[in-house]
Amino acid sequence: AQKVTQAQTEISVVEKEDVTLDCVYETRDTTYYLFWYKQPPSGELVFLIRRNSFDEQNEISGRYSWNFQKSTSSFNFTITASQVVDSAVYFCALSDRTGTASKLTFGTGTRLQVTL
Amino acid sequence: DGGITQSPKYLFRKEGQNVTLSCEQNLNHDAMYWYRQDPGQGLRLIYYSQIVNDFQKGDIAEGYSVSREKKESFPLTVTSAQKNPTAFYLCASSTYRGQVVYGYTFGSGTRLTVV
Repeated sequence: AQKVTQAQTEISVVEKEDVTLDCVYETRDTTYYLFWYKQPPSGELVFLIRRNSFDEQNEISGRYSWNFQKSTSSFNFTITASQVVDSAVYFCALSDRTGTASKLTFGTGTRLQVTL
Repeated sequence: DGGITQSPKYLFRKEGQNVTLSCEQNLNHDAMYWYRQDPGQGLRLIYYSQIVNDFQKGDIAEGYSVSREKKESFPLTVTSAQKNPTAFYLCASSTYRGQVVYGYTFGSGTRLTVV
């Protein structure tokens, strides 16, 4: 069975601090995708990144960066110079392909609070 | 712009009543999904559909039913058999391009409260 663990329930930082959100996953599949989503207070899920299991190259997008390490089954997310607008719940998810569908298993989320 | 539309945003129902949540997509995606989110929890899969007139149970299908009569539409009915229906419901869609999952998009959700 697939499993995603986000051990950090809540993180509080002061604006401009860097923060890393941890994600550890379990799967027996050799091909899979990992996702990060942001959920602001309004509730919608905002897609941040998708990474496939064959691509361990780290990625940077503006203030966001992701560190994918297959050896430790981790896909961590770092926000550099955090801002108040980054306050949200962040979810890591793991895909399981069935035909044309891709079922997602979510972690329980990390609530990030950025204060002035 | 393409996307997923869920309606209504808020829904109140009396205990024992069935209620149907709407989900429409204009992304031409093959697969559609329903997830449930409880406070402080991640999302859990209720049902999913790969093609029209086909759907499969997810991890928590008991007390729910779905239909997929059109590619664009995937309504979810919360029946009176669902013991704890109050939750936030999110619809999603996706497709594949070759071997790559593509465009995993979520709607804005429906918050259902049963009183």
